[in-house]
Amino acid sequence: QKEVEQNSGPLSVPEGAIASLNCTYSDRGSQSFFWYRQYSGKSPELIMSIYSNGDKEDGRFTAQLNKASQYVSLLIRDSQPSDSATYLCAGAFSGGYNKLIFGAGTRLAVHP
Amino acid sequence: ETGVTQSPTHLIKTRGQQVTLRCSSQSGHNTVSWYQQALGQGPQFIFQYYREEENGRGNFPPRFSGLQFPNYSSELNVNALELDDSALYLCASSAGQGALNYGYTFGSGTRLTVV
Repeated sequence: QKEVEQNSGPLSVPEGAIASLNCTYSDRGSQSFFWYRQYSGKSPELIMSIYSNGDKEDGRFTAQLNKASQYVSLLIRDSQPSDSATYLCAGAFSGGYNKLIFGAGTRLAVHP
Repeated sequence: ETGVTQSPTHLIKTRGQQVTLRCSSQSGHNTVSWYQQALGQGPQFIFQYYREEENGRGNFPPRFSGLQFPNYSSELNVNALELDDSALYLCASSAGQGALNYGYTFGSGTRLTVV
C-alpha cells in the first residue's frame, strides 16, 4: 500500500515568518513529488514539483526532497495571509500507468 | 484558466440515483484521470483513461465507471449513489507520461452532494 503522510495541522505562523510543511512517503519507487495549494472550496493548484534529492527554489517557495529518508518538505518564506490554505503533498507512481497519491493535506493559517 | 473544464460545478442528488460528470481535457492531452476528494481528505485516485481505454483504477467499486471520447473528453458515471459519495470530483488531463514529470493540472471540480 503506497502512502503519503502529512500532519493535518493546523499550522499557525505569524505574517512574515517561515512556514515549514512536511510529508513522508512509503514507496521508494516514487519518482517525483508535487506540492499543491488548495483554498477552501476550490480545486488543488500545483505550486511546486521536485524530482531530485536536494532543494528546489521558486520565489518564496522551496521544496526539499530526501529520498533516503523518504521525506519531502515545503518551505514558504515571508508568509502572507494569502498563503492560508491547505497544502497537499503528492507522489507520482508509475506501473503501467501514472497516478498521483496524495496526503490528507496540512492546513496553514498565517495570521497578521 | 486551467484548460481543463468540468461540468456541472455543483450537483445535488438523492441516494440511489445515478449521476454523470463531465470533463474537457486540455488541448493536446490524451490522458484523463479522475479523483474523488472527500471533505478534509486528499484526492483519491478513481481511474485513468488513455486513448479511450481505462488503463488504471483505484480502490473504487464497479458502480464508478467512465468513458473517454475520441476528442479526449471524459465522463465519470456513478450508479446507485450513496451518502458517502458526497465529495469534490476532480478531473485532470495530461499528455501520456507527462504526469510523472509535470504533475497534473486539475479542473475546477464538481461538488456532488448526495442526500
